[in-house]
Amino acid sequence: SQQGEEDPQALSIQEGENATMNCSYKTSINNLQWYRQNSGRGLVHLILIRSNEREKHSGRLRVTLDTSKKSSSLLITASRAADTASYFCAFYNQGGKLIFGQGTELSVKP
Amino acid sequence: GAGVSQSPSNKVTEKGKDVELRCDPISGHTALYWYRQSLGQGLEFLIYFQGNSAPDKSGLPSDRFSAERTGGSVSTLTIQRTQQEDSAVYLCASSSRGDIVGYEQYFGPGTRLTVT
Repeated sequence: SQQGEEDPQALSIQEGENATMNCSYKTSINNLQWYRQNSGRGLVHLILIRSNEREKHSGRLRVTLDTSKKSSSLLITASRAADTASYFCAFYNQGGKLIFGQGTELSVKP
Repeated sequence: GAGVSQSPSNKVTEKGKDVELRCDPISGHTALYWYRQSLGQGLEFLIYFQGNSAPDKSGLPSDRFSAERTGGSVSTLTIQRTQQEDSAVYLCASSSRGDIVGYEQYFGPGTRLTVT
């Protein structure tokens, strides 16, 4: 399967703690993206990291990419209750299709 | 500017009926995608349109599913003879380009389909 695999499937933390989610994939990629989905805003693009980048930051988000291990991680620092959502990694396969992982369900308790 | 819109937002239909789901992509976006998301699951790719090229239909689960994109803009996903397993949220997304370089996709709010 070309689908990305994410772990953990679910994560529950207290507000202020950091949350780390991991994604593994099997194909060659040009870039990897992370998306967030919650009931209020639907599915929204968070950050894109290119295959020649190892780390990227955007506000409280930090994404790493290890192409040798075919893995990526998303770190959310100083989490807030509003960060509660499902987080998906996604990458384009050679055919131009964006393939999504199964997602990590994050719950941030106030 | 306007984002991706989808209609209807909710659709309840009886088993065996046909349904049409509509997607209006962001103006100027050449790539358009349809996905299906079942409860608590990730996104399942269905079909992909890029410009005037032949669509990639490799994700359509059966020949009951079809989609078209008229004039390079609006797209319609049609499900014939609906089955209960077709119940899901159908998401549409558009992107400024859809080649392997990979661009951010903008998603619509989805259509929740319930087949009774």
